[in-house]
Amino acid sequence: RKEVEQDPGPFNVPEGATVAFNCTYSNSASQSFFWYRQDCRKEPKLLMSVYSSGNEDGRFTAQLNRASQYISLLIRDSKLSDSATYLCVVNLADSGYALNFGKGTSLLVTP
Amino acid sequence: NAGVTQTPKFRVLKTGQSMTLLCAQDMNHEYMYWYRQDPGMGLRLIHYSVGEGTTAKGEVPDGYNVSRLKKQNFLLGLESAAPSQTSVYFCASSYGLDTQYFGPGTRLTVL
Repeated sequence: RKEVEQDPGPFNVPEGATVAFNCTYSNSASQSFFWYRQDCRKEPKLLMSVYSSGNEDGRFTAQLNRASQYISLLIRDSKLSDSATYLCVVNLADSGYALNFGKGTSLLVTP
Repeated sequence: NAGVTQTPKFRVLKTGQSMTLLCAQDMNHEYMYWYRQDPGMGLRLIHYSVGEGTTAKGEVPDGYNVSRLKKQNFLLGLESAAPSQTSVYFCASSYGLDTQYFGPGTRLTVL
């Protein structure tokens, strides 16, 4: 069983829409959580860290539910430039600082 | 700062050939990682290093070796390439349990 599970999508949404991505993780000892963004044929880049209290960065809101082992990302007022693959990432609790990546959710924002 | 650089960007090998991928970072990060990314599989950790002179196995280490002789460099070696090693290889580095910075990737094809 993959440690980090995501709906692969694709999610096709019009500009201005609100879209939510969900992610579940299997290792209850995981301590750090992130959303990364990956554009086509490019390297992943950190979008935001995810904290237990929830956190917001502009149009992006991330939530963590440790009891359910569930992470979410909400994008409001989608822009064309938000089109990318969004990777849910948790640390591998028994591998120090190494990270475990979900397979990613593909988002396409259309005019 | 160049960040994380990878050499080469593209390579085609024949089965059984060997090669070394070079990763360099100029951010004085202690931690460095090698991942491979395959369609439908997401990013998988091959090997990682928590400091100069140290290495550890990740999720998919078979067929690869690594060395971290200098803090700024992390080398990934393929001793006898196989078609199953056709992939995009990403190197990353981090200061600790925070943002991992990725290089642009190496696209390797093994015929």
